[in-house]
Amino acid sequence: AAGVIQSPRHLIKEKRETATLKCYPIPRHDTVYWYQQGPGQDPQFLISFYEKMQSDKGSIPDRFSAQQFSDYHSELNMSSLELGDSALYFCASSPAGPPSNYGYTFGSGTRLTVV
Amino acid sequence: KQEVTQIPAALSVPEGENLVLNCSFTDSAIYNLQWFRQDPGKGLTSLLLIQSSQREQTSGRLNASLDKSSGRSTLYIAASQPGDSATYLCAVAPYYNTDKLIFGTGTRLQVFP
Repeated sequence: AAGVIQSPRHLIKEKRETATLKCYPIPRHDTVYWYQQGPGQDPQFLISFYEKMQSDKGSIPDRFSAQQFSDYHSELNMSSLELGDSALYFCASSPAGPPSNYGYTFGSGTRLTVV
Repeated sequence: KQEVTQIPAALSVPEGENLVLNCSFTDSAIYNLQWFRQDPGKGLTSLLLIQSSQREQTSGRLNASLDKSSGRSTLYIAASQPGDSATYLCAVAPYYNTDKLIFGTGTRLQVFP
């Protein structure tokens, strides 16, 4: 079965650089969520999209932005990277918009390391 | 504010034991609760989803129960195997905002042969 695809799997950037993370949801899933998991921490919600519109926003820095495209894939853009942005970034998708009766399917994540 | 706690934080057991992992949440107004497994540095694999109207869900050797009124869920793992070694996370979808899964801090399980 198709899963949530995230790219790249690993990314190393220098401070003040820009990074773009991509997420391809499961086919026919129209809702995408982004989470950030720091070392030894639980995942924290960043932002979500439903039908290409921002649905909700969590503790996402102003340096970050995201969007969902017409094919439902989503991109998380991170600018002026800081050392503290080093984390595992997860994307999840669900069908039929929030609230979800079907739970959330997560991708394998993108590990971002800022040096 | 919804808070999710998992006990124990870590558990090390011999193969074959039956295990109970606990998850507590402070606000009973939840839409559903989901249990995940995470291998080191890897993604989150969904194990079981329990809707707020349900009492339990089963998948293979896994059984999850939900007592919404008392704010508790348990994950029962029967006949544990070394391959079960991972971190187990529970996450609740608050009724007022189901976009934001609230995660517990996890139980790190090690099953040794």
